[in-house]
Amino acid sequence: GAVVSQHPSRVICKSGTSVKIECRSLDFQATTMFWYRQFPKQSLMLMATSNEGSKATYEQGVEKDKFLINHASLTLSTLTVTSAHPEDSSFYICSASKTGEAYTIYFGEGSWLTVV
Amino acid sequence: AQKITQTQPGMFVQEKEAVTLDCTYDTSDPSYGLFWYKQPSSGEMIFLIYQGSYDQQNATEGRYSLNFQKARKSANLVISASQLGDSAMYFCAMRDDWRDDKIIFGKGTRLHILP
Repeated sequence: GAVVSQHPSRVICKSGTSVKIECRSLDFQATTMFWYRQFPKQSLMLMATSNEGSKATYEQGVEKDKFLINHASLTLSTLTVTSAHPEDSSFYICSASKTGEAYTIYFGEGSWLTVV
Repeated sequence: AQKITQTQPGMFVQEKEAVTLDCTYDTSDPSYGLFWYKQPSSGEMIFLIYQGSYDQQNATEGRYSLNFQKARKSANLVISASQLGDSAMYFCAMRDDWRDDKIIFGKGTRLHILP
């Protein structure tokens, strides 16, 4: 079946640095991918919609300059957390769906980000 | 605005018993989809079951069934014959077919299966 792969699964970075998380659809093309953030014991909060070949659409309250999203190809979307701070430490997870399959949402494995 | 409500933050159920996880939703659009996901401690999101707003019958997938009551805007998940491996976080989610493909999640229910 379709697989969405996310990398890295865990990353620790120093405060003030930037970190990039990749989300790949391995065997299908995804014109749209979604990025979620999840704090411990909380729900998934949609951060942004990543659109291939165009700018991402951010949800209200999400800083677009801090969370840079690039969807340069039909199989890859990247989320870059710029100038990371400890409060950015969280679980980030992406999802994608196949065109024409209304009920099939594939999630990546998620990325645990710790900013020290 | 879309909204998903899960009112049970945590549940404890004896192994082999059936369990119902509650979910209500709110949308003004006639076409939508409802999902249930399981999230173990590893963090991965495991798809369990889907119900489309126009589906006439309740969805079933093995031990999982969705009790869809459209008029009440409720989409409860029923797990039959619970197993220890069912202990996890469970999220109800909704997709609005008239807009983009994004889905929103409820706050989740932590299910504990007792031996």
